[in-house]
Amino acid sequence: DAKTTQPNSMESNEEEPVHLPCNHSTISGTDYIHWYRQLPSQGPEYVIHGLTSNVNNRMASLAIAEDRKSSTLILHRATLRDAAVYYCIPYNFNKFYFGSGTKLNVKP
Amino acid sequence: DADVTQTPRNRITKTGKRIMLECSQTKGHDRMYWYRQDPGLGLRLIYYSFDVKDINKGEISDGYSVSRQAQAKFSLSLESAIPNQTALYFCATSSPVATDTQYFGPGTRLTVL
Repeated sequence: DAKTTQPNSMESNEEEPVHLPCNHSTISGTDYIHWYRQLPSQGPEYVIHGLTSNVNNRMASLAIAEDRKSSTLILHRATLRDAAVYYCIPYNFNKFYFGSGTKLNVKP
Repeated sequence: DADVTQTPRNRITKTGKRIMLECSQTKGHDRMYWYRQDPGLGLRLIYYSFDVKDINKGEISDGYSVSRQAQAKFSLSLESAIPNQTALYFCATSSPVATDTQYFGPGTRLTVL
């Protein structure tokens, strides 16, 4: 299973963009890159996923490096509700491994 | 109504007691999972089931057992609870047809005294 490296914490100002990095240098060619987030006192929720191409949805954008060894989750305009722990997870339809994630603090 | 429900939401028990945590889902998914989360840490997989007749151990299955009673129900048991099993427990479901996106329940906070 691919290992991931994420910053322990990051801080952002409200309504500014946030770029959350993830290093997954041992990812296999068939692993999708999933991102989940966990709001305080809740279970994790799906954010976005991709394989090779950059992806956009209503919550965020995912930028995947050409060599797939890293990816960046982009929140275009952070809100207070985006304060959460963000997990980057390489996944191949077997089982998920959640690391420690990045705790995002959003300042008003 | 929530797609994934867990009962109880909170439980305090004593060392040595048998505890069962229950999970039900209305999403029609075949795959179900049990995770545990300790304070300040990520989730760790305890057991998972890809269909009713399939049960697999995860990272930390020692001290736990599971039962998949139906497609919609997946129970986690602690046969003899110990204090270091005090944690937040999450159930999740997924479907490989839908890219295996996981949907989580609200969690059960278990305290073992």
